[in-house]
Amino acid sequence: GEDVEQSLFLSVREGDSSVINCTYTDSSSTYLYWYKQEPGAGLQLLTYIFSNMDMKQDQRLTVLLNKKDKHLSLRIADTQTGDSAIYFCAESVSGNTPLVFGKGTRLSVIA
Amino acid sequence: GAVVSQHPSWVICKSGTSVKIECRSLDFQATTMFWYRQFPKQSLMLMATSNEGSKATYEQGVEKDKFLINHASLTLSTLTVTSAHPEDSSFYICSARSSGYSYEQYFGPGTRLTVT
Repeated sequence: GEDVEQSLFLSVREGDSSVINCTYTDSSSTYLYWYKQEPGAGLQLLTYIFSNMDMKQDQRLTVLLNKKDKHLSLRIADTQTGDSAIYFCAESVSGNTPLVFGKGTRLSVIA
Repeated sequence: GAVVSQHPSWVICKSGTSVKIECRSLDFQATTMFWYRQFPKQSLMLMATSNEGSKATYEQGVEKDKFLINHASLTLSTLTVTSAHPEDSSFYICSARSSGYSYEQYFGPGTRLTVT
């Protein structure tokens, strides 16, 4: 079945770049997403990328997709304390199918 | 971006009672809404897919008679936890997919249910 894997923890210093990695197994995944969840809150859609793209940049966020290796990464430049949260990677095969989530990476930013 | 609301944000109920959770898309129409459950420090588990005007599709292992889903309009879906038990205590999150941009899925803030 479909599976999405992420490392569970990442700790970085304020001002450094953070890179959160994700791998998925479904080669037919068409849409890949990054969501942010702060304590006690729902999920905030950060960005998404289509499988026919290699990279997408949005302000401090850069998403890289290696479709051959089924590897997705999220780079946060100039990481701030407000970026501390859990980041979920998710994929879906089509626009009408539900998302399959990874377990989430807890990012801690040290001042 | 699109906004999805949930009500209530938290609720405490006694065992055996029923609780209704509402999910609304505030500024867009959503033909499809999803209900997820999240246990502490874990990922989201899809419970069911709710389509406006038709019966919900439940994931394997989710009791449809216990978790009643109604998607009465293009902006509202409800989840009713019937005869609640302490093991139903969890964080329930809904999401809505925009009819216009179907690949964008927006999440509500979640409802924390505690059954005593």
